[in-house]
Amino acid sequence: SQQGEEDPQALSIQEGENATMNCSYKTSINNLQWYRQNSGRGLVHLILIRSNEREKHSGRLRVTLDTSKKSSSLLITASRAADTASYFCATDPDSGGGADGLTFGKGTHLIIQP
Amino acid sequence: AAGVIQSPRHLIKEKRETATLKCYPIPRHDTVYWYQQGPGQDPQFLISFYEKMQSDKGSIPDRFSAQQFSDYHSELNMSSLELGDSALYFCASSHPLRGPNNEQFFGPGTRLTVL
Repeated sequence: SQQGEEDPQALSIQEGENATMNCSYKTSINNLQWYRQNSGRGLVHLILIRSNEREKHSGRLRVTLDTSKKSSSLLITASRAADTASYFCATDPDSGGGADGLTFGKGTHLIIQP
Repeated sequence: AAGVIQSPRHLIKEKRETATLKCYPIPRHDTVYWYQQGPGQDPQFLISFYEKMQSDKGSIPDRFSAQQFSDYHSELNMSSLELGDSALYFCASSHPLRGPNNEQFFGPGTRLTVL
């Protein structure tokens, strides 16, 4: 499997419910980032969590990182119809170099039913 | 706030033609990254530049080349286009002073269609 596997691949929930997406990766990382993408549009940066952090919050978003399990989760609370999008995790490798490319997961397609 | 600018936004080419995509990073960002996202796929890293020098290389085909210019804008040159090159091409930029935990800011993408 590839770096940055995500599950579930698709998630459909009712508006107001919480949505949880998971991501696993394989190599050592500097940080892990979550992005959102509306259909065929650009990537919007949501949150970055460093390898020495375990949890981070931003508005209705909560991200956790477990480097021992090489996994992360993104929780969106009180979901809204406008949250419907694809969500990708992306890892920044701990290569010792600069300007490293991110490795993206396959993404979770989230549908919020009104 | 200024964002990453990509041009053109849409491009249609025939097989075996060439294409040039342009990226203008956020002001004062001197690091540029290129990604390719095929239909229904996750973005794949192609190549990055820091201070006009190639920094990291991903899955960029030999038919593609890129460079960063003195004003920090970057161009991705694609030759002998194939049907499989049809994709959304993203450029991202980052600010070096943030250190290794750089947030990459993505442009809106160029949608390339090869017929």
